[in-house]
Amino acid sequence: EVQLVESGGGLVQPGGSLRLSCAASGFTFRSYWMSWVRQAPGKGLEWVANIKQDGSEKYYVDSVKGRFTISRDNAKKSVYLQMNSLRAEDTAVYYCARDGHPFDHWGQGTLVTVSS
Amino acid sequence: QSVLTQPPSVSAAPGQKVTISCSGSSSNIGNNYVSWYQQLPGTAPKLLIYENNKRPSGIPDRFSGSKSGTSATLGITGLQTGDEADYYCGTWDSSLSAVLFGGGTKLTVL
Repeated sequence: EVQLVESGGGLVQPGGSLRLSCAASGFTFRSYWMSWVRQAPGKGLEWVANIKQDGSEKYYVDSVKGRFTISRDNAKKSVYLQMNSLRAEDTAVYYCARDGHPFDHWGQGTLVTVSS
Repeated sequence: QSVLTQPPSVSAAPGQKVTISCSGSSSNIGNNYVSWYQQLPGTAPKLLIYENNKRPSGIPDRFSGSKSGTSATLGITGLQTGDEADYYCGTWDSSLSAVLFGGGTKLTVL
């Protein structure tokens, strides 16, 4: 069974940093792109970033370019999202998703709240 | 405002049929596959349709997808109260090099 478990969310002040993790199991992790998708409270889905199987290609939504970095460790079957210079508008539930073009499996999400 | 346009809400009675549209452009829907996701209240999204009209295993054939030009449509027949959810279309945008989602459509089964 495919499982994706996010962790690392929490309350952070504007300008602060947070690192999200997503642990994968139940599939050959190194064979898939992986993505982060977020959802602000009461709003729709917004794709944030994705990363190729070997980490050689990464793409980001414009609003996070230069602030967020996606990475992966295939040995640990994990994908990460380093979030710096956080803003109030980054407040959202962040989902990790297996990016098989489309997103065929999703984690349960982790809440990030940016507030003073 | 999303690049992919969906109606904010649709409604229909149990047993009836509903369609949800998703409108884009040549850089996204026009030249890439469309997928559809269902998000039940308080849960993570779930893949319903991929590659315009294919259903993952376990998704009933009450759910269907189609694409024509720069628009896509999700159809749901035999509506059930358990279908009440938010539905999102998604696709890749070749000009933006980004994944796009529609703004979402809330389905109410009256």
